[in-house]
Amino acid sequence: QMQLQESGPGLVKPSETLSLTCTVSGGSVSDYYWSWIRQPPGKGLECVGYFHYSGNINYNPSLKSRVTISVDTSRNQVSLRLTSVTAADTAVYYCARRWLQNGSWFDPWGQGTLVTVSS
Amino acid sequence: QSVLTQPPSVSAAPGQKVTISCSGSSSNIENHYVSWYQQLPGTAPKLLIYDNSDRPSGIPDRFSGSKSGTSATLGITGLQTGDEADYYCGTWDNSLSAAVFGTGTKVTVL
Repeated sequence: QMQLQESGPGLVKPSETLSLTCTVSGGSVSDYYWSWIRQPPGKGLECVGYFHYSGNINYNPSLKSRVTISVDTSRNQVSLRLTSVTAADTAVYYCARRWLQNGSWFDPWGQGTLVTVSS
Repeated sequence: QSVLTQPPSVSAAPGQKVTISCSGSSSNIENHYVSWYQQLPGTAPKLLIYDNSDRPSGIPDRFSGSKSGTSATLGITGLQTGDEADYYCGTWDNSLSAAVFGTGTKVTVL
């Protein structure tokens, strides 16, 4: 059974870079699509983007200039990098496997990690 | 703001049925499959429905999904106290070139 675990700093200063890691067990990061999804406190879900090892990558247009998703096959990890953060980037960040069949969906999800942007 | 609109809340007594609507447009729901997620308080979202109406293994048949035109619907029958959660629809949006989620609906069991 595939499991995902996010990790990274819980506090980031404005204008700095947010870096998170998602460790995957029960499957290889090179075989599947991966996504990062975030949820500001008390609000809804927003897809940050998705990544496939083949090079198929998509970022949310509202974040495209600041975001990078990548994988480290040696550590079986998926990473998120978001530059020039502001308070609006404060959220719980989830990693999830993205499925593609007739449509696309996300399953499973990691437990999420809260990142607060504050000085 | 989300391009998929859901009612903020729905409620019913235990054992009853609720339906949650997800309203979109031709750039999303009308031309793409819909998924649904359950988010229990303080936990990560969990997949309930994919490809409009299919259930992953382990999801009881009390949960059902359907789609018609620019709208999708999640139904929950035999409502239980454990079903109290936030529910989100999701799909792809051609105009945004991004995966999008609904505004979310809180289900309360009276």
